[in-house]
Amino acid sequence: GQNIDQPTEMTATEGAIVQINCTYQTSGFNGLFWYQQHAGEAPTFLSYNVLDGLEEKGRFSSFLSRSKGYSYLLLKELQMKDSASYLCAVKFFNKFYFGSGTKLNVKP
Amino acid sequence: GAVVSQHPSRVICKSGTSVKIECRSLDFQATTMFWYRQFPKQSLMLMATSNEGSKATYEQGVEKDKFLINHASLTLSTLTVTSAHPEDSSFYICSRTSGASTDTQYFGPGTRLTVL
Repeated sequence: GQNIDQPTEMTATEGAIVQINCTYQTSGFNGLFWYQQHAGEAPTFLSYNVLDGLEEKGRFSSFLSRSKGYSYLLLKELQMKDSASYLCAVKFFNKFYFGSGTKLNVKP
Repeated sequence: GAVVSQHPSRVICKSGTSVKIECRSLDFQATTMFWYRQFPKQSLMLMATSNEGSKATYEQGVEKDKFLINHASLTLSTLTVTSAHPEDSSFYICSRTSGASTDTQYFGPGTRLTVL
């Protein structure tokens, strides 16, 4: 089976930086993806990593270490609208397996 | 704009009835689409891979006779929940891959199924 772990919930302050971790143990790997999901809505794509290292996209960055089975999503300059669930997903061939998701609460 | 649509967005049905959910790829001929289920406060669980012109492939533990998938054209996949029961109440989401180098998925808006 696929084992993908994330913290259940985090709280951070508006304007701050938050790091959401994801660890995985899967039978295969073709990339790690991060999605944002607001309650009752479908997930939207944020970032992805195939090779080790840091990928930066505006306020969002994602890091991958394949040898450690570890990734994180870094959110900078937090805004209230960033309150949402953040899902990491491991791609294996053409399938995506999702972690349990991290609910981020941004407070003023 | 949206690249994947789902219909209906919400459905309430009585126990024992069957419900069909449609998923359309609006801008891309998708030979492969995916169906997920999400229970409240949980993550997405991959149910099956829908393959155009052939049988769907189901994840372990998903009953293929209960969740019928048909992918008759390159733009339409349907999921039918047969003989629905209250425990089938969930948020059902379909997706397709992008076909681009990032190869991410684009998700439909989801269908909220409530079985009474």
